[in-house]
Amino acid sequence: AQTVTQSQPEMSVQEAETVTLSCTYDTSESDYYLFWYKQPPSRQMILVIRQEAYKQQNATENRFSVNFQKAAKSFSLKISDSQLGDAAMYFCAYRSRTEGSGGGADGLTFGKGTHLIIQP
Amino acid sequence: KAGVTQTPRYLIKTRGQQVTLSCSPISGHRSVSWYQQTPGQGLQFLFEYFSETQRNKGNFPGRFSGRQFSNSRSEMNVSTLELGDSALYLCASRWTSGGLGGQFFGPGTRLTVL
Repeated sequence: AQTVTQSQPEMSVQEAETVTLSCTYDTSESDYYLFWYKQPPSRQMILVIRQEAYKQQNATENRFSVNFQKAAKSFSLKISDSQLGDAAMYFCAYRSRTEGSGGGADGLTFGKGTHLIIQP
Repeated sequence: KAGVTQTPRYLIKTRGQQVTLSCSPISGHRSVSWYQQTPGQGLQFLFEYFSETQRNKGNFPGRFSGRQFSNSRSEMNVSTLELGDSALYLCASRWTSGGLGGQFFGPGTRLTVL
């Protein structure tokens, strides 16, 4: 079974600065998908960015970018020019590419989350 | 396009009762997944339905069940409620099962078991 670890329960950053959230995962698969989701106080989960494991190029979405290190099984999220609206819980998630390969559980496997605080 | 909707938003039940939660996916989305979120266990995958068939299932007891209708709407049922079932239940939809497509989440149903 796959596991996702987010080692930073909480991070704080000044508005307009850059912050990096860490995520490591454990899997025996070579092909999979990785995601970052944001959950603000409203509890609405919002997809931030996604990455296919077989693509070397790191994904970017406006101020959000990832550093994907497949050999190290690392998938960190960098937020540039932090804004007050970025304050939220951030979850890293994994999904198998091959259905049925996860012992019957092929939905998203989430980390425990990182609470991001933006200081004005 | 309207987003994923979940009803009811809040629910209070007592131990031993059963409950049914509903999820309407984004129009055109055929895959619906359910997740349980608790402070202790975090986000855990319950099951996924695609074209009215359960495609995948997480490690939850048989008290948790679901179904999907021909219009892709999905319901989740929990029988014989336990205190530990208190959680935020999130529904997510995608156009298809598998693949890179990200899941779009609903606002959740907050279930409290007394």
